[in-house]
Amino acid sequence: EAGVAQSPRYKIIEKRQSVAFWCNPISGHATLYWYQQILGQGPKLLIQFQNNGVVDDSQLPKDRFSAERLKGVDSTLKIQPAKLEDSAVYLCASSFNRGTGAYEQYFGPGTRLTVT
Amino acid sequence: DAKTTQPPSMDCAEGRAANLPCNHSTISGNEYVYWYRQIHSQGPQYIIHGLKNNETNEMASLIITEDRKSSTLILPHATLRDTAVYYCIVRLNYGGSQGNLIFGKGTKLSVKP
Repeated sequence: EAGVAQSPRYKIIEKRQSVAFWCNPISGHATLYWYQQILGQGPKLLIQFQNNGVVDDSQLPKDRFSAERLKGVDSTLKIQPAKLEDSAVYLCASSFNRGTGAYEQYFGPGTRLTVT
Repeated sequence: DAKTTQPPSMDCAEGRAANLPCNHSTISGNEYVYWYRQIHSQGPQYIIHGLKNNETNEMASLIITEDRKSSTLILPHATLRDTAVYYCIVRLNYGGSQGNLIFGKGTKLSVKP
């Protein structure tokens, strides 16, 4: 079974530029998550989708971050304009309802963003 | 904020059991204990979860105290590849926002030859 795919793996941009990250979840996983992980900290949830609808975006800085999940499969996270403090690893994860009540999340390798 | 407390770091000799503790004294009756780990430059990986009974799978064992205020993740025969940051997370077992993962800083486990 293929895992969660993310691209690019690395990105370097200057502040005030824009950037976009792409995620392809595991086939059949209805729920998709985007996390931000700053160096030395645990991942922090930015947004959660159920199919193509937003479930939770309470921690997404909406003045500069946006995300979409068209057709309920792939997702894109965009930052515009980027700030120095956006330097982090951006992780995508997906999960599905096993029917047992378990909701393990499966994570992709992440995109490391450096803003200079 | 994370609802768990973990030691920031631990060492373990290769081949020995690694016992990673976690305190979750404010856990509520319907919250589960989940463990994830993150190997350097990779995304977090699910390990195991439990409600109140001890659990075992091919990766690890989870021991939850009777009062559910603490738990221990056991890697029975640690290898160098088990070197990672281990996260203990308390969460509801829902797919909606109530069941979201809230990561703390975890425990950095170093397995040494």
